Amino acid sequence: AQSVTQPDIHITVSEGASLELRCNYSYGATPYLFWYVQSPGQGLQLLLKYFSGDTLVQGIKGFEAEFKRSQSSFNLRKPSVHWSDAAEYFCAVGARSGSQGNLIFGKGTKLSVKP
Amino acid sequence: DAGVTQSPTHLIKTRGQQVTLRCSPKSGHDTVSWYQQALGQGPQFIFQYYEEEERQRGNFPDRFSGHQFPNYSSELNVNALLLGDSALYLCASSLSSSGGTTDTQYFGPGTRLTVL
Repeated sequence: AQSVTQPDIHITVSEGASLELRCNYSYGATPYLFWYVQSPGQGLQLLLKYFSGDTLVQGIKGFEAEFKRSQSSFNLRKPSVHWSDAAEYFCAVGARSGSQGNLIFGKGTKLSVKP
Repeated sequence: DAGVTQSPTHLIKTRGQQVTLRCSPKSGHDTVSWYQQALGQGPQFIFQYYEEEERQRGNFPDRFSGHQFPNYSSELNVNALLLGDSALYLCASSLSSSGGTTDTQYFGPGTRLTVL
């Protein structure tokens, strides 16, 4: 069955420090991969997506993610975290075949930023 | 350019009641998907509507039903509410091209449903 695992429930980093949020997926083939961010009281905002091509994907707000097929991972990174990055981050996968429009989400990683 | 809008923002119901949630897609989008996000969990796919038809459905009981109107807006109906239906309900819209997941989904702020 398709699934997404985000091993870290809560991460705290200092402002200005680097960040890496982990995401592992289970899928029969190479899926479409997404990272979304959710601030309190807000909906989900798309940070970046991977469909094909270059395995290092650049997104908004200075985020990037790297697709590693051998590790079934799609980790999110940012070189220098800002206080406004505090939010919950969700990794998601989508099927490539057929008219399947649903996304499968992980349980999320809550990011706290220390001043 | 208005994004995805949802109404109401918050809703309180009692067990056994019925509820209707509404979603207006982003301008130019023709596909609407609904997700349920329980506290501390990631969103779970309920169903997707395209051309006024349910195109795909997740693992949710028939108590959950929906509708899409000619202007692409959508409703989610839940009958016979249970305590476990308490959650944030998210609507996402997209423009169907290939009909697959490459159609980037844009999410609304959600409707917080509390069932007492």
